[in-house]
Amino acid sequence: AQTVTQSQPEMSVQEAETVTLSCTYDTSENNYYLFWYKQPPSRQMILVIRQEAYKQQNATENRFSVNFQKAAKSFSLKISDSQLGDTAMYFCAFRRSQGNLIFGKGTKLSVKP
Amino acid sequence: DGGITQSPKYLFRKEGQNVTLSCEQNLNHDAMYWYRQDPGQGLRLIYYSQIVNDFQKGDIAEGYSVSREKKESFPLTVTSAQKNPTAFYLCASSILAGGLETQYFGPGTRLLVL
Repeated sequence: AQTVTQSQPEMSVQEAETVTLSCTYDTSENNYYLFWYKQPPSRQMILVIRQEAYKQQNATENRFSVNFQKAAKSFSLKISDSQLGDTAMYFCAFRRSQGNLIFGKGTKLSVKP
Repeated sequence: DGGITQSPKYLFRKEGQNVTLSCEQNLNHDAMYWYRQDPGQGLRLIYYSQIVNDFQKGDIAEGYSVSREKKESFPLTVTSAQKNPTAFYLCASSILAGGLETQYFGPGTRLLVL
């Protein structure tokens, strides 16, 4: 069975600095998809970024980028120029080509002024 | 506005009572999902549906039931058989694109037991 592990329950970062959130997963599949979702205090789940496993190029969305290491089964999220509005729970999620999302337990990120 | 709505925002259940959580989407998405979120946990899949009049159990379906009579609607009933229903419930929907379909989430319903 696929599993997703986020080893950092909580992290903090100073405003304007860079922070990296870790995610590893376990699968025997070759074709799959990876996602990072953000859940602010409002509890609305918001897609941050997504990556197809067959693409070697790391996905980027403005201040958010990933470091996808397929052989190591690692999918970390880098947030550059952190802003107060980035304070949230961040969830890593995995999906097979035909399957449902499997979520990690989340990392609580606090951005400090 | 296009989006996913869930109601109510808060719901209180008495012992032995069935309650129904509403989820509606106007995004013309094929698939809909129900997740449960407990403190310190990620989201866990309860049920999902890819087409009208068809749905599948997720990882934690016991004590829950669903229906999918319309493409836009996917209500979740928490039955009296669910002994620990207190949680945050999230509904999501997606197109079925054979690949990188993204799930979009509603604002959630918090269920509390009286």
